[in-house]
Amino acid sequence: QKEVEQNSGPLSVPEGAIASLNCTYSDRGSQSFFWYRQYSGKSPELIMSIYSNGDKEDGRFTAQLNKASQYVSLLIRDSQPSDSATYLCAVNERDGGATNKLIFGTGTLLAVQP
Amino acid sequence: EPEVTQTPSHQVTQMGQEVILRCVPISNHLYFYWYRQILGQKVEFLVSFYNNEISEKSEIFDDQFSVERPDGSNFTLKIRSTKLEDSAMYFCASSVQRGYEQYFGPGTRLTVT
Repeated sequence: QKEVEQNSGPLSVPEGAIASLNCTYSDRGSQSFFWYRQYSGKSPELIMSIYSNGDKEDGRFTAQLNKASQYVSLLIRDSQPSDSATYLCAVNERDGGATNKLIFGTGTLLAVQP
Repeated sequence: EPEVTQTPSHQVTQMGQEVILRCVPISNHLYFYWYRQILGQKVEFLVSFYNNEISEKSEIFDDQFSVERPDGSNFTLKIRSTKLEDSAMYFCASSVQRGYEQYFGPGTRLTVT
């Protein structure tokens, strides 16, 4: 059973701090990794994608991927109260070849305190 | 900015009834998906669709479920005989290519009574 694991939180950080969200995955052959933000009662909103080892930055967000450790992380700099949401890690599962099914983690609830 | 749209936003139905959930994917996207999220649980993959046929489906996607692209823009999910446990948020998503970013619609909340 292929799994994506996240700490459910809540992760509480003060406004202006860096929030660090982590995710591990079990399928060593996974190729594509995504972070989604989900506000309560709303749909997942894509905020970052990463496909190769290393860091990828987009504004206040940095995604980090380490395939050897099967680990993906998301850093949010200068956290704002509006960043308070559940952050979902999703992995594109490989199953005998290219596939397009996303496996989601349970999500980490981030609370940014004003 | 192009976005995935879904209708209705909320559907209430009685157990055993058929429901059709509708989606309009982003216009230049070729891959379409349905996911569901039961309240308080993970987002779960149901089915993916490419070139007018199902490319993958999960164990959840049994004979009660079907998908269709009836015209050049709509993508539908039909549940033939709803059960109480089908109550969930159903999300449609689309991507330009396999393995690339998937963009989600706002969802349809299905309530089966």
